[in-house]
Amino acid sequence: GAGVSQSPRYKVTKRGQDVTLRCDPISSHATLYWYQQALGQGPEFLTYFNYEAQPDKSGLPSDRFSAERPEGSISTLTIQRTEQRDSAMYRCASSLDRLNEQFFGPGTRLTVL
Amino acid sequence: KNEVEQSPQNLTAQEGEFITINCSYSVGISALHWLQQHPGGGIVSLFMLSSGKKKHGRLIATINIQEKHSSLHITASHPRDSAVYICAVNFGNEKLTFGTGTRLTIIP
Repeated sequence: GAGVSQSPRYKVTKRGQDVTLRCDPISSHATLYWYQQALGQGPEFLTYFNYEAQPDKSGLPSDRFSAERPEGSISTLTIQRTEQRDSAMYRCASSLDRLNEQFFGPGTRLTVL
Repeated sequence: KNEVEQSPQNLTAQEGEFITINCSYSVGISALHWLQQHPGGGIVSLFMLSSGKKKHGRLIATINIQEKHSSLHITASHPRDSAVYICAVNFGNEKLTFGTGTRLTIIP
């Protein structure tokens, strides 16, 4: 595609519900990243994929967070049993390959009530 | 500990002024990125560099590997340059560590 897209752009959910966020990277890009950005803060790394492999999950805050990229293209980030502290902007980025310029999606703003 | 520090945190300048934003990091890196976050929230990659200097239009990024320091310069600043500028670093792997950002405001 022309750029990185994410859906939904906004998600409001109640505490305890599961949510799934989607990222559609640039089609030729091998590497895909997920970041969490709290209001007024800089982004923080969650995890990344190289094609369908997920070499680094070190940034995932807890085992309630998981990500998939089963066919090496579209990725999903799932948060189970959401908590209010999960409220943030979740950003996806993709790059041609490892250690290359990253192109960021518009983000999904998650609000947990 | 892998750390990235930016200065200043906030910068207000008059239109036309030459702007410098600084970034320093704690240990050796694979690459350093300068990003721009617009008031609407979108993030755009400005530069990725591992040595020397890069220029794009009115923007210039430099890096000094020995001093573990990078600068982002904006020449002939314009109100549309108002944004948050973020330095982010790859410390030898794919994980990006972000600085706290510099909020730039250019007054007409």
